[in-house]
Amino acid sequence: DGGITQSPKYLFRKEGQNVTLSCEQNLNHDAMYWYRQDPGQGLRLIYYSQIVNDFQKGDIAEGYSVSREKKESFPLTVTSAQKNPTAFYLCASSYKGVNYGYTFGSGTRLTVV
Amino acid sequence: AQSVTQPDIHITVSEGASLELRCNYSYGATPYLFWYVQSPGQGLQLLLKYFSGDTLVQGIKGFEAEFKRSQSSFNLRKPSVHWSDAAEYFCAVGAKGSQGNLIFGKGTKLSVKP
Repeated sequence: DGGITQSPKYLFRKEGQNVTLSCEQNLNHDAMYWYRQDPGQGLRLIYYSQIVNDFQKGDIAEGYSVSREKKESFPLTVTSAQKNPTAFYLCASSYKGVNYGYTFGSGTRLTVV
Repeated sequence: AQSVTQPDIHITVSEGASLELRCNYSYGATPYLFWYVQSPGQGLQLLLKYFSGDTLVQGIKGFEAEFKRSQSSFNLRKPSVHWSDAAEYFCAVGAKGSQGNLIFGKGTKLSVKP
């Protein structure tokens, strides 16, 4: 079955360490997205990519980095520059444009101690 | 500016009662409208979507939503709520034919009383 996979489900890191969250999709979707979710704040867009080797900053890109070397993969690195990295991170994918909506992964909960 | 407002942060209904979750949008173009549901610790699942045509759309799990252009609203309804419907619900809007992104509301958390 096609879908979008985020790993790991839970991640713990020490303050000051970079950490990379994985997102893979086999839906042949063109676009991929990273969102951060904090209680009461809804979904905030971190980065998105419409095609391979191209990506754009979202509303809260500071302290994060991404790459899009393959259509299927869109990893997110949370760097030590991110002041409050503890959050729930959601990856999504879609065909180009919003016509079909987004398909979401099951999320990664990152805790930095 | 484009925006989506879900006026209710938290709603509690009794099991078996009817439900209506409100969503208002501000969008210059013809909107595409979506409702998603999120169970705790999970990703978002698409409930239903509106592109054009009949303004009353049916979705999964017995949900429906009605698009009212004059009120810029896309409210989600269910005639009889089940305990398993307890979750957070997100409304989203996108522009027809656009390469742009979906804009999400901040969500409404639904609690169900036995």
